[in-house]
Amino acid sequence: EVQLLESGGGLVQPGGSLRLSCAASGFAFDASAMTWVRQAPGKGLECVAGISYTGASAYYIDSVKGRFTISRDTSRDTLYLQMSSLRAEDTALYYCVKGTMQAPTPGNAFDAWGQGTLVTVSS
Amino acid sequence: DIYMTQSPSSLSASVGDTVTITCRASQSITNYFSWYQQKPGTAPKLLIYAASVLETGVPSRFSGAGSGTHFSLTINSLQPEDFATYFCLQSHSTPITFGQGTRLELK
Repeated sequence: EVQLLESGGGLVQPGGSLRLSCAASGFAFDASAMTWVRQAPGKGLECVAGISYTGASAYYIDSVKGRFTISRDTSRDTLYLQMSSLRAEDTALYYCVKGTMQAPTPGNAFDAWGQGTLVTVSS
Repeated sequence: DIYMTQSPSSLSASVGDTVTITCRASQSITNYFSWYQQKPGTAPKLLIYAASVLETGVPSRFSGAGSGTHFSLTINSLQPEDFATYFCLQSHSTPITFGQGTRLELK
């Protein structure tokens, strides 16, 4: 059974930092692209960052470029999202998501999701 | 960026009805497209990928169609467990983007 277990969320002040982790099991972690998707309270879904199966390539949405870094450790089957210079608008539930392909695009679909970890940016 | 315009934003229907949700891409995405269902307090679930391929375990009353810029999700004979929010997604190019969602409510 595929499992994705996120951790690292919490309350942080504006300008602060957090590192999210996602422990993966039940599938070949080193064969799948991975993505962090966030959902602000009562809002839609937004792909924040994605990374290829080797970690060689990654992408970010414009609003987090230069502030967030996605990475993966295949020896630990773990995905990370390092977040810095956090803003109120980064407040959201962050999901770790498994892709069906080795690269984020083209043709990827999200076939397994974690339960999410909540990030709240507030003073 | 590729923008996904989903409609309607909300929809009321009854058990047994057939409903269709549409999604339009701001440029051609061939069939690099998928549909997701989200129930309150839970993570989204993949329903359909490659525009029309049903994910394993998803009931056959769900179907997807389309290519290029226009896509649709049809749910035949709605069941009580189908009342949820539905999202479309394009994975033609980064950043991968979702539609804004369609909330399907019980009439």
